[in-house]
Amino acid sequence: LAKTTQPISMDSYEGQEVNITCSHNNIATNDYITWYQQFPSQGPRFIIQGYKTKVTNEVASLFIPADRKSSTLSLPRVSLSDTAVYYCLVVFTSGTYKYIFGTGTRLKVLA
Amino acid sequence: EAQVTQNPRYLITVTGKKLTVTCSQNMNHEYMSWYRQDPGLGLRQIYYSMNVEVTDKGDVPEGYKVSRKEKRNFPLILESPSPNQTSLYFCASSTIGQGSGYGYTFGSGTRLTVV
Repeated sequence: LAKTTQPISMDSYEGQEVNITCSHNNIATNDYITWYQQFPSQGPRFIIQGYKTKVTNEVASLFIPADRKSSTLSLPRVSLSDTAVYYCLVVFTSGTYKYIFGTGTRLKVLA
Repeated sequence: EAQVTQNPRYLITVTGKKLTVTCSQNMNHEYMSWYRQDPGLGLRQIYYSMNVEVTDKGDVPEGYKVSRKEKRNFPLILESPSPNQTSLYFCASSTIGQGSGYGYTFGSGTRLTVV
């Protein structure tokens, strides 16, 4: 199975756009990419999912290039409450389904 | 309200004393899974189930058992807990399929301490 890696941490200022990249260099055509936000001692919360090109919802966008070796979560105009750990998760859909988390990125939003 | 309910939230037990952590979801999801989260090691999948009576090992299944007798319930069983199973545990469920997607709903977590 592909290993998914993310930057360990990032800092940003309020109002800025934040882009967090996940590397997953060996995923199959129908494998899915999902992203989660986690606050301390809480369960991860689903943000967005997709498997190709671009997906946008009310809180984020997900960009997946044609080679699908990486994906980027984009958070527009972050606020202090967006300080959290962000995980990508690849869903391997061939045969039995395995949901494998990336290493997580600790985002700190500064005033 | 759509949710995954885990119980208990906190549990302190002694080595070797069998315990069960319950998980129930009310969304009719096919897929359910257990994760443990440890500092520096992220979230690791213990077991998963694609439907009733269908379970499979994740990355760290040693020392754990699961069962899926009903679609809504997926208990995690530690037959003989050891201190290295001290961790934060999460249950999660999702639909399966490109039409419905694969987004997980997580429970609130169970913090287990084995002494």
